[in-house]
Amino acid sequence: QVRLQESGPGLVKPSQTLSLSCTVSGGSITNGDYYWSWIRQPPGKGLEWIGYIYYNAKTYYSPSLKSRISMSVDTSNNLFSLKLSSVTAADTAVYYCVSFRQSWDTFDMWGQGTMVTISS
Amino acid sequence: QSALTQPPSASGSPGQSVTISCTGTRSDVGGYDYVSWYQQHPGKAPRLVIYEVTKRPSGVPDRFSGSKSGNTASLTVSGLQAEDEADYYCSTYAGSHNLLFGGGTRVTVL
Repeated sequence: QVRLQESGPGLVKPSQTLSLSCTVSGGSITNGDYYWSWIRQPPGKGLEWIGYIYYNAKTYYSPSLKSRISMSVDTSNNLFSLKLSSVTAADTAVYYCVSFRQSWDTFDMWGQGTMVTISS
Repeated sequence: QSALTQPPSASGSPGQSVTISCTGTRSDVGGYDYVSWYQQHPGKAPRLVIYEVTKRPSGVPDRFSGSKSGNTASLTVSGLQAEDEADYYCSTYAGSHNLLFGGGTRVTVL
């Protein structure tokens, strides 16, 4: 069973770039049935899809965030990454890495999440 | 595109049923049979309970069921148990590799 684990700094200064990685275990990131996703949840609020990446590095981003997002994939190390630039306090959230299973059209496996606070 | 619309709260007594709605448009909920539902307990990551409107992953009790009519999808939890108290979110594909979530519904077991 696929497991996902986020890593990265828990505190980022305003206007800087938030960088997170997600290590995939129990399966290959090159499995063609999956897109590798980022989803965030501000404290006390709902879920927001950020975007996803395929193993061949093809990316799809949320229209509301696409000007600030960059995603990459490292198939050698079975991990994928997120960069979100020009962050503000509104980007404070729990960030989840999640597998999107194409054959089920759904987010089937979730990482535990990592809290990122934007503050000086 | 706007988030899908869910009621903020729902409740039921143990053993009863509760139904949560998720309303979108014909461009998202109404246009695809790709609605999913997730359960989230406080401080935990969401867990998939329904996908493709009606299907349950293995390990999810058959007390959880999904349906759709027009632009509105629904999740029903039958035979409510204390452990079902959680936040529930719907999501759907909205075309052109765009995914939307609902605002979430807090289910309380009275």
